[in-house]
Amino acid sequence: DQQVKQNSPSLSVQEGRISILNCDYTNSMFDYFLWYKKYPAEGPTFLISISSIKDKNEDGRFTVFLNKSAKHLSLHIVPSQPGDSAVYFCAASGGRDDKIIFGKGTRLHILP
Amino acid sequence: DAEITQSPRHKITETGRQVTLACHQTWNHNNMFWYRQDLGHGLRLIHYSYGVQDTNKGEVSDGYSVSRSNTEDLPLTLESAASSQTSVYFCASSGRVSGELFFGEGSRLTVL
Repeated sequence: DQQVKQNSPSLSVQEGRISILNCDYTNSMFDYFLWYKKYPAEGPTFLISISSIKDKNEDGRFTVFLNKSAKHLSLHIVPSQPGDSAVYFCAASGGRDDKIIFGKGTRLHILP
Repeated sequence: DAEITQSPRHKITETGRQVTLACHQTWNHNNMFWYRQDLGHGLRLIHYSYGVQDTNKGEVSDGYSVSRSNTEDLPLTLESAASSQTSVYFCASSGRVSGELFFGEGSRLTVL
């Protein structure tokens, strides 16, 4: 059973506009959430994270929002740039052994 | 600079053969992980270790084993390779439980 869900396999956004990637989770024990970015033929790289004690975390063009009651988080990228075209993975951890569980990923295409 | 390296980067093997994928990190991280990435499944956790002599099963551990004899290395062994194990394998490490993961560049395995 999927504990971390990214229901949009792909997303296309015009350059300069806002990209919003969504993620839902089912495990109420999760208390730490991360976003990773992956380019083809490379390993994923850490982008931004948020603890469950916060509802927002910002780092430059990237902002992650957490809605604990809805078990939902989102990653906002503004403005979107061509180099943002990649696969984005949502991940979560918490509970007894704290291992990090990933979603299936969303492929973001930034259109010129 | 500290890094995490995987070898081989590409391997083709036959069904039934034993295969070992190497992972070596120089960050002195206690926590190491193996994931596989497949289309439609994202990143799934195979095995993980929180220190020397510690190993734990992840979501998709059947047919795989790991051993942790030192801090730097976590080799992944496929005891008898199956076509269903054709995938891209990523090793990762982190300095603290639930912390940011640092990924290797991946090992693409094809089982014929």
